[in-house]
Amino acid sequence: AQTVTQSQPEMSVQEAETVTLSCTYDTSESDYYLFWYKQPPSRQMILVIRQEAYKQQNATENRFSVNFQKAAKSFSLKISDSQLGDAAMYFCAYRSSDTGNQFYFGTGTSLTVIP
Amino acid sequence: EPEVTQTPSHQVTQMGQEVILRCVPISNHLYFYWYRQILGQKVEFLVSFYNNEISEKSEIFDDQFSVERPDGSNFTLKIRSTKLEDSAMYFCASSPLGWGRPGEQYFGPGTRLTVT
Repeated sequence: AQTVTQSQPEMSVQEAETVTLSCTYDTSESDYYLFWYKQPPSRQMILVIRQEAYKQQNATENRFSVNFQKAAKSFSLKISDSQLGDAAMYFCAYRSSDTGNQFYFGTGTSLTVIP
Repeated sequence: EPEVTQTPSHQVTQMGQEVILRCVPISNHLYFYWYRQILGQKVEFLVSFYNNEISEKSEIFDDQFSVERPDGSNFTLKIRSTKLEDSAMYFCASSPLGWGRPGEQYFGPGTRLTVT
């Protein structure tokens, strides 16, 4: 089975600064999808950004971007110009492109934004 | 924007009791899922459901678990005889399409189940 590892249980960043959350995964597949989900306190998980493994270009969504290193099986999330509303638990997730729908999640990184 | 909703937000039950966790997926979605997260551990897949039947399930989803879509809106997870180790946050999710596309899954806020 695929595994997803987030090695940073907690991170903090000063407001307006940049922070990078790391994620590595293990798979033998060549085609798959990677996601970052954000879970604010007492709220549901919402999709932040996704990356298709066949695309070389790193995905970006406004202040959020990823550094996708397929050979290294690394998928880090960069948050630029951090805002107080970015404080949340961030989950990295993997989904195969051809063996069903289930997501494999990491254990999450709790991000604190310091005013 | 449509959201997945779950009730209750917190359920406390005694070991051996049956519990039913309820979810209302987004109305035009076709795939439904249950995940759970034991405190401090990963979010784990339990089961996916499509066209009124289970399409995929994990090893965790044993005979104690069942899912049902009793009407056009609700999607339920039943645990027949709860064990202490069933204590976890249970997330429901739905998606408009199945595999073959990078279909996003839309998650509910979760139900915290505490088994005493």
